[in-house]
Amino acid sequence: QVHLQQSGPGLVKPSQTLLLTCAISGDSVSSNSAAWNWIRQSPSRGLEWLGRTYYRSKWYNDYAVSVKSRITINPDTSKNQFSLQLNSVTPEDTAVYYCAGGFALRWGQGTLVTVSS
Amino acid sequence: DIVMTQSPDSLAVSLGERATINCKSSQSVFFTSHNKNSLAWYQQKPGQPPKLLIYGASARESGVPDRFSGSESGTDFTLTISSLQAEDVAVYYCQQYHSVPLTFGGGTKVEIK
Repeated sequence: QVHLQQSGPGLVKPSQTLLLTCAISGDSVSSNSAAWNWIRQSPSRGLEWLGRTYYRSKWYNDYAVSVKSRITINPDTSKNQFSLQLNSVTPEDTAVYYCAGGFALRWGQGTLVTVSS
Repeated sequence: DIVMTQSPDSLAVSLGERATINCKSSQSVFFTSHNKNSLAWYQQKPGQPPKLLIYGASARESGVPDRFSGSESGTDFTLTISSLQAEDVAVYYCQQYHSVPLTFGGGTKVEIK
């Protein structure tokens, strides 16, 4: 069964870049049947899907329109993990960030990210 | 985007009684090639990530108690807890994975009456 372990800082300054990593065990980031997602949760926005990466003979990404200009999700096949990079953060990006695998989702433990100076 | 509308926002049920949560999608989430609806249900307890309970609208995830069941009728979906236990107090969410962006219902908080 897939297990996801998140890592990354819990505090980011406004205008800087949020960077989180999700290590996968029990599956492969290069699986031809999986997808690897980032989702955030806040009281104001509820559960908000941010984007995903997946491999189907080549790599693909899908991103939410709300963050499309600021987000990058990258796979790292050497470490069997994937990452979230969100640029130019503001206090509105404060949320619990989750990585999740699949389509019906299995979730990482979550990281509370606060954007504050 | 597919909008997922859950009801009620909250409900209080006596221990051992049935709890029913509804979810409606704004358009079909039926995945023809799999012959299934792309609809999942999750349980979230405070301080924890959501936990997958049901996928394909009615298939129970491994390890989930059989008091949890999912049903479907067109674009209407239902999660039923047949006999509420104390450990079932949580917020429940539906989610469609038919198309991006993946979208979630607003959640239903289940409490003990």
